[in-house]
Amino acid sequence: IAGITQAPTSQILAAGRRMTLRCTQDMRHNAMYWYRQDLGLGLRLIHYSNTAGTTGKGEVPDGYSVSRANTDDFPLTLASAVPSQTSVYFCASSEQGANTGELFFGEGSRLTVL
Amino acid sequence: GQNIDQPTEMTATEGAIVQINCTYQTSGFNGLFWYQQHAGEAPTFLSYNVLDGLEEKGRFSSFLSRSKGYSYLLLKELQMKDSASYLCAAMDSNYQLIWGAGTKLIIKP
Repeated sequence: IAGITQAPTSQILAAGRRMTLRCTQDMRHNAMYWYRQDLGLGLRLIHYSNTAGTTGKGEVPDGYSVSRANTDDFPLTLASAVPSQTSVYFCASSEQGANTGELFFGEGSRLTVL
Repeated sequence: GQNIDQPTEMTATEGAIVQINCTYQTSGFNGLFWYQQHAGEAPTFLSYNVLDGLEEKGRFSSFLSRSKGYSYLLLKELQMKDSASYLCAAMDSNYQLIWGAGTKLIIKP
């Protein structure tokens, strides 16, 4: 039972480099999300996708981009990483948007930008 | 603005009961969620309340008062494995989740 798989689990990155965090789900959920989690702060939504082919901006989208070419994959790209993007990134999915009640999260990707 | 408040940290004894409070202010309201997150792991869903009252699920119960903008998570018969952070999240009128910073629960023997 895989659920949501994120890669890499951990990465150290030089500032200015481009980085893509991968997220794949096998539950055929329509909606997918990218969050970042920082110490002392709640989860903050970066981008979301309610269905394949559509994406939307969350609370903190600047410096990040996403694509949703199919149901299963939802990669997050940092075009030019900056130290403030050091964080733990969680990908999540739900059946029909979060109003169904339950988000399923991946195990997270810990990113350090130096 | 939209805001979720919950205590940063709580300590309780194995076998006891603990109540974790959460107050929220959102633009509209479509439900209140509780998630559990063990250190270094992903959050996992615990409960969802949209109507006033208490929802019981085994050792865990969640309460909601919409008029007061208040919820609590009640954990009974605490076990060491309950040591984790508990995240409160409220859904606003746009069905966006607003997350609290989490309450770290420390269980002592």
